[in-house]
Amino acid sequence: GAVVSQHPSRVICKSGTSVKIECRSLDFQATTMFWYRQFPKKSLMLMATSNEGSKATYEQGVEKDKFLINHASLTLSTLTVTSAHPEDSSFYICSAPTLTSGGYTQYFGPGTRLTVL
Amino acid sequence: DAKTTQPTSMDCAEGRAANLPCNHSTISGNEYVYWYRQIHSQGPQYIIHGLKNNETNEMASLIITEDRKSSTLILPHATLRDTAVYYCIVMSNFGNEKLTFGTGTRLTIIP
Repeated sequence: GAVVSQHPSRVICKSGTSVKIECRSLDFQATTMFWYRQFPKKSLMLMATSNEGSKATYEQGVEKDKFLINHASLTLSTLTVTSAHPEDSSFYICSAPTLTSGGYTQYFGPGTRLTVL
Repeated sequence: DAKTTQPTSMDCAEGRAANLPCNHSTISGNEYVYWYRQIHSQGPQYIIHGLKNNETNEMASLIITEDRKSSTLILPHATLRDTAVYYCIVMSNFGNEKLTFGTGTRLTIIP
């Protein structure tokens, strides 16, 4: 299957700092990527849709000024958590769709675990 | 809201077939059934998807009922590494559609 990478895999930061997470499609191009957040023992919750060359679309309740998304190329989307606080500690996962024999299939990155102290 | 219903948890003996059911009674004509799994602290892994015909790949088989209101994911010879949360998701496959995750089924493979 297609490969999606994320960097870093885990990050620990102090409260008030900003953290950037990268999501890359390694062997395909993606005009759209998705960002999810997952709290312990919970399911994935979609945060936003990242669109190459245009503004991201955020889900209801997700602060766009806090979670900055940039999709500067067809293989890279970044999520920046600005002024992070302990409640932002979570597992952040991205996905990207690619065309397969049975239509589009979304592939997920390995996730980034963010811990804010 | 997720459009599917799955049992919360299941156990299966190692080496046996694991059969994971999913109900999707409100599925529409252009929606596919996708299965993903998530092993602890990893991103979801794509398993298989189908529209109306049964599908098989190197990981699993997908059996979709004729009315498409339910399906079953079959792992033919479960191993301990198959312990994970399995998600059944219905969606069109246009590429830019959002995936909505339900609670999934926590499958535990018993040695």
